[in-house]
Amino acid sequence: LAKTTQPISMDSYEGQEVNITCSHNNIATNDYITWYQQFPSQGPRFIIQGYKTKVTNEVASLFIPADRKSSTLSLPRVSLSDTAVYYCLVGVYNQGGKLIFGQGTELSVKP
Amino acid sequence: GAGVSQSPSNKVTEKGKDVELRCDPISGHTALYWYRQRLGQGLEFLIYFQGNSAPDKSGLPSDRFSAERTGESVSTLTIQRTQQEDSAVYLCASSLQVASSTDTQYFGPGTRLTVL
Repeated sequence: LAKTTQPISMDSYEGQEVNITCSHNNIATNDYITWYQQFPSQGPRFIIQGYKTKVTNEVASLFIPADRKSSTLSLPRVSLSDTAVYYCLVGVYNQGGKLIFGQGTELSVKP
Repeated sequence: GAGVSQSPSNKVTEKGKDVELRCDPISGHTALYWYRQRLGQGLEFLIYFQGNSAPDKSGLPSDRFSAERTGESVSTLTIQRTQQEDSAVYLCASSLQVASSTDTQYFGPGTRLTVL
């Protein structure tokens, strides 16, 4: 079971790029890395997923170094609406393991 | 349906009463998950279903908690003899295939449970 560690909170301003790093030292060979976003009073929402190197979609980029012991979610030019909690997720269920979301990173975007 | 739905959206109950929370997953999704989120906290995994089978129930906090699922459809989470520490938002999610980190989980809006 891969445990993840993220900063508890981060502050940013509108228009800036935000990078949130997640540590997962005991990631398994078949684990993917997934990031979710949660707004207040809503369930989490999938943002991006990757296995190695770099993945980019319309919302974010995900950078994963060769050793895969960490990953960085990059949000370009954040706006006030990006204020949310961001969770890094690593692990598998199908062998009886549990997926743990952890505390997440609370991102606050200011004008 | 268009997404995962949960009912009720809010539930206020008295300590000692039983409550039943319902989750309707996205049609065709094999895997279904229950999480608990206390105020200001991260998500706490409770249980997941593969079809109507629950391979791992060890995340359930106590024997007052139980869950069942009918086929690959509705799931109910039952809390007996509720306690104040059960107050939280209970989130349900579903995913298309086998439960793994590669599957995107689609979450419902949650049920906010308040035990007085």
